[in-house]
Amino acid sequence: RKEVEQDPGPFNVPEGATVAFNCTYSNSASQSFFWYRQDCRKEPKLLMSVYSSGNEDGRFTAQLNRASQYISLLIRDSKLSDSATYLCVVTLPADDYKLSFGAGTTVTVRA
Amino acid sequence: NAGVTQTPKFQVLKTGQSMTLQCAQDMNHNSMYWYRQDPGMGLRLIYYSASEGTTDKGEVPNGYNVSRLNKREFSLRLESAAPSQTSVYFCASSDIYEQYFGPGTRLTVT
Repeated sequence: RKEVEQDPGPFNVPEGATVAFNCTYSNSASQSFFWYRQDCRKEPKLLMSVYSSGNEDGRFTAQLNRASQYISLLIRDSKLSDSATYLCVVTLPADDYKLSFGAGTTVTVRA
Repeated sequence: NAGVTQTPKFQVLKTGQSMTLQCAQDMNHNSMYWYRQDPGMGLRLIYYSASEGTTDKGEVPNGYNVSRLNKREFSLRLESAAPSQTSVYFCASSDIYEQYFGPGTRLTVT
């Protein structure tokens, strides 16, 4: 079983729509959670960390559900520039330096 | 401030050839990493270095070697390239908050 699993999508949404997707992780002892964004043929970049209480950064909201072992990302008022692949990332319990990446969820925002 | 740089950006090798991918960071980070990314799969850790002078195997180390030359530089060597090593390779460095990635090397082994 993969450490981190994501629905690959693609999620095709019109501008202004809300889109949300989840990722599940297998190790209940995982400590830290992140969403990274990767544009086509580019390097991943940190979008936001995910805190136990949930957190917002502008139009982006991340939630953590430890009981069910998933994290979610919600994008409100989608922009064309939000088109990207969103990578769910979890730290391995034994070593906070090592990250486990999901394969990514692709979001395409259309005009 | 260049962040993380990688060379080369593209490379085509024949089976059995060797090459070294170079990575450097100017953020004074202790930790550095090499990943590969294949279609439909997440980034997979090849090797990492928690600090200068130390290296450890990641999830997929077979066929690769690394050198942490100094705090800035972390190189990845393919001694005898195989078609299964066709991939995009990313180097990264990290502080305690996030990993910063280089632009990647697209490697094709024929």
